Amino acid sequence: EPEVTQTPSHQVTQMGQEVILRCVPISNHLYFYWYRQILGQKVEFLVSFYNNEISEKSEIFDDQFSVERPDGSNFTLKIRSTKLEDSAMYFCARGKTTGPQVNYGYTFGSGTRLTVV
Amino acid sequence: RKEVEQDPGPFNVPEGATVAFNCTYSNSASQSFFWYRQDCRKEPKLLMSVYSSGNEDGRFTAQLNRASQYISLLIRDSKLSDSATYLCVVNYGNTGKLIFGQGTTLQVKP
Repeated sequence: EPEVTQTPSHQVTQMGQEVILRCVPISNHLYFYWYRQILGQKVEFLVSFYNNEISEKSEIFDDQFSVERPDGSNFTLKIRSTKLEDSAMYFCARGKTTGPQVNYGYTFGSGTRLTVV
Repeated sequence: RKEVEQDPGPFNVPEGATVAFNCTYSNSASQSFFWYRQDCRKEPKLLMSVYSSGNEDGRFTAQLNRASQYISLLIRDSKLSDSATYLCVVNYGNTGKLIFGQGTTLQVKP
């Protein structure tokens, strides 16, 4: 099964700058997710996205965050004004099938390491 | 109480050993259960889903006890390549949101 591709693999940005993280899932999948992992901590849910709309978001996913699927294949996470505490690995994920089918688990992308300085 | 709780370890075992990891979850409405494996600074990779009847995949056996809200993973005949962090993961709700444990680190030594 094709993997989920994320770009860039590593991004360094200055505090207050906007960043856009990209994910290329399979186009016929409808359910996508963003998770993050601060170094040394657990993986945390950010947002789920279904049929071009947010279906659930966590407390972490505040007004500084947004998600889009602008062209039907790429899936983006934007952080408008980065803070030092946004430094983390960000993982995109999709279901194993074209539905939510959570019983079958997810495929995670290889992640983007975001470093805010 | 943490939503998903695991002993962080590390577990240091010799090759060929059998090792067991445990996990508890707090939400009785949890619907799906998984073990993921994560190598250092890599993405989580699905190791196996966990079913109420218990399930086995080669050297790996997973068990679920819904009454006790407890999940386990048994690894037999440990290999050096099994060295990783093992993540206990649960799902509840309809959106597919996964809740991760902190992970248990396994180091298999020659």
